[in-house]
Amino acid sequence: KAGVTQTPRYLIKTRGQQVTLSCSPISGHRSVSWYQQTPGQGLQFLFEYFSETQRNKGNFPGRFSGRQFSNSRSEMNVSTLELGDSALYLCASSLGRHNEKLFFGSGTQLSVL
Amino acid sequence: GENVEQHPSTLSVQEGDSAVIKCTYSDSASNYFPWYKQELGKGPQLIIDIRSNVGEKKDQRIAVTLNKTAKHFSLHITETQPEDSAVYFCAAASFNNAGNMLTFGGGTRLMVKP
Repeated sequence: KAGVTQTPRYLIKTRGQQVTLSCSPISGHRSVSWYQQTPGQGLQFLFEYFSETQRNKGNFPGRFSGRQFSNSRSEMNVSTLELGDSALYLCASSLGRHNEKLFFGSGTQLSVL
Repeated sequence: GENVEQHPSTLSVQEGDSAVIKCTYSDSASNYFPWYKQELGKGPQLIIDIRSNVGEKKDQRIAVTLNKTAKHFSLHITETQPEDSAVYFCAAASFNNAGNMLTFGGGTRLMVKP
């Protein structure tokens, strides 16, 4: 069974640009969560989607957004990139509404220059 | 919101020794406590988890204990091996409401010296 797949693996952008990251969950998983990982702030929750609906949102500015498609695949978008957005963005999937085991992908390493 | 503190930030042990990592949480509503292992260039991998109605759980060389009264939980690794070297994260969550949201500790870099 394939794990969580995130694309692209690495991304370099400049300030002011926007970026879209993609996540394909484990087959059969309906919940997708996104986390930001930085050396200074650690792992921080961005948002979570279940059946195309955002259920939870972390404390991030509105420049960070996401969506989930009917096949459970998810994308997150960051607009007007800032230097501080440089981070590893991790996607995690789980089975569903009350299944708490989260399985993470390898992440997308975003560098903002 | 929930706050999770993790200690120590780095831990060096000799192969074969035991390693213990401790976490405290602030929200008494938290009822799920997973531990993740992250190797270089990879995402966090779930290694063991425990729910608040259980005090201890063991899986081969790994065990987790939970003290709800004191709001702390610990990861115990026995007979450490070089391949146990990685960064370990504890986390806490409340699943009484719909949704999955983990609050992570700051991580512990474990180094096992052969």
